[in-house]
Amino acid sequence: QQQVKQSPQSLIVQKGGISIINCAYENTAFDYFPWYQQFPGKGPALLIAIRPDVSEKKEGRFTISFNKSAKQFSLHIMDSQPGDSATYFCAASLVFGNEKLTFGTGTRLTIIP
Amino acid sequence: KAGVTQTPRYLIKTRGQQVTLSCSPISGHRSVSWYQQTPGQGLQFLFEYFSETQRNKGNFPGRFSGRQFSNSRSEMNVSTLELGDSALYLCASSLELAGDLEQFFGPGTRLTVL
Repeated sequence: QQQVKQSPQSLIVQKGGISIINCAYENTAFDYFPWYQQFPGKGPALLIAIRPDVSEKKEGRFTISFNKSAKQFSLHIMDSQPGDSATYFCAASLVFGNEKLTFGTGTRLTIIP
Repeated sequence: KAGVTQTPRYLIKTRGQQVTLSCSPISGHRSVSWYQQTPGQGLQFLFEYFSETQRNKGNFPGRFSGRQFSNSRSEMNVSTLELGDSALYLCASSLELAGDLEQFFGPGTRLTVL
């Protein structure tokens, strides 16, 4: 049972453009929604995370938009740069003390000059 | 502060053998989780340890096991290896403080089963 669905599977964006990756979840008990960035040969690294009590969180060029009623959240990368080319995973986990991350299937983002 | 370290980084085994992977969490982190990453299944949760106790377990067969030591270092073991066990095995540690849910991942151990 896939509890976190992620789209698109791959994405090509021109430098300076906006990259948008979407995720939808099923379990309303999820309490924490992080986005991870993974470069080839490396482990995933936390990019930005949100809790369900806010609808948006921004850190630099990265923004999470969260829609609790629709059970959806998305990552927006503004002014996309070639260095942003990586695989991005959304994830969700239950309340504190039960830190199993359920991951989306990943989006391979390529930023072209 | 040193990050999560995993050893070895690469392993090649044959079917039927067993393997042990090691993870050293960030100093002070008491929770250690293991994930399996494959192209087909993505990142899947294996198990989580906290204070030497397995707190959560994913949907993997009993051939996959783990443990955590008093210094929070963790090992996972896979017995009777199958071709499908070829994957990147990732370890993640977290501080386990109220409100702090961030998990820090190591670089992984790439296991190839021939």
